[in-house]
Amino acid sequence: NAGVTQTPKFQVLKTGQSMTLQCAQDMNHNSMYWYRQDPGMGLRLIYYSASEGTTDKGEVPNGYNVSRLNKREFSLRLESAAPSQTSVYFCASSEGQGQFFGPGTRLTVL
Amino acid sequence: SQELEQSPQSLIVQEGKNLTINCTSSKTLYGLYWYKQKYGEGLIFLMMLQKGGEEKSHEKITAKLDEKKQQSSLHITASQPSHAGIYLCGADKGGSYIPTFGRGTSLIVHP
Repeated sequence: NAGVTQTPKFQVLKTGQSMTLQCAQDMNHNSMYWYRQDPGMGLRLIYYSASEGTTDKGEVPNGYNVSRLNKREFSLRLESAAPSQTSVYFCASSEGQGQFFGPGTRLTVL
Repeated sequence: SQELEQSPQSLIVQEGKNLTINCTSSKTLYGLYWYKQKYGEGLIFLMMLQKGGEEKSHEKITAKLDEKKQQSSLHITASQPSHAGIYLCGADKGGSYIPTFGRGTSLIVHP
């Protein structure tokens, strides 16, 4: 089992560009999450999906959209990237207690 | 999250020493999670505590939730370089199993 996989691992964007971060899990989990991690701010929830077909806003959803494509995949889209979105993005999945995290995507917006 | 305070922010110890990391909430918790993050990698789930006074162990790492369910401590016995990383506590305040995280404690273990 690969667990939770994320692509790409690194990305550099210019302000105003768009991109989609991909996430997939092979553990048959119902719930999936997107977090961002910034120095001094800890880990903050952007969006989550409790089950296929549902998505909900987390703590910091502005500037992002998500799609739960199927049970395995949960993507995060930046429509018009801003320097404030420079961060490390983590996808996670869970079924009850304890979340399983992907390796992260390092995004820099110039 | 600003509601969870972790202390200390960073810790440097010699291999073989014991250490404790604390996580304090201003509100009663439904559950308290502990995660470890190796530098540059994703988080690894260590354990979840739900009952007041509950104590769990994972290898040489022991965590306890106090009776009032507002503070948890994570204790590492005989630390090793493999214990190095960032330890994060997460609070489940509403029974949703979606944790809100503290800012983490950075641990360095010198061989």
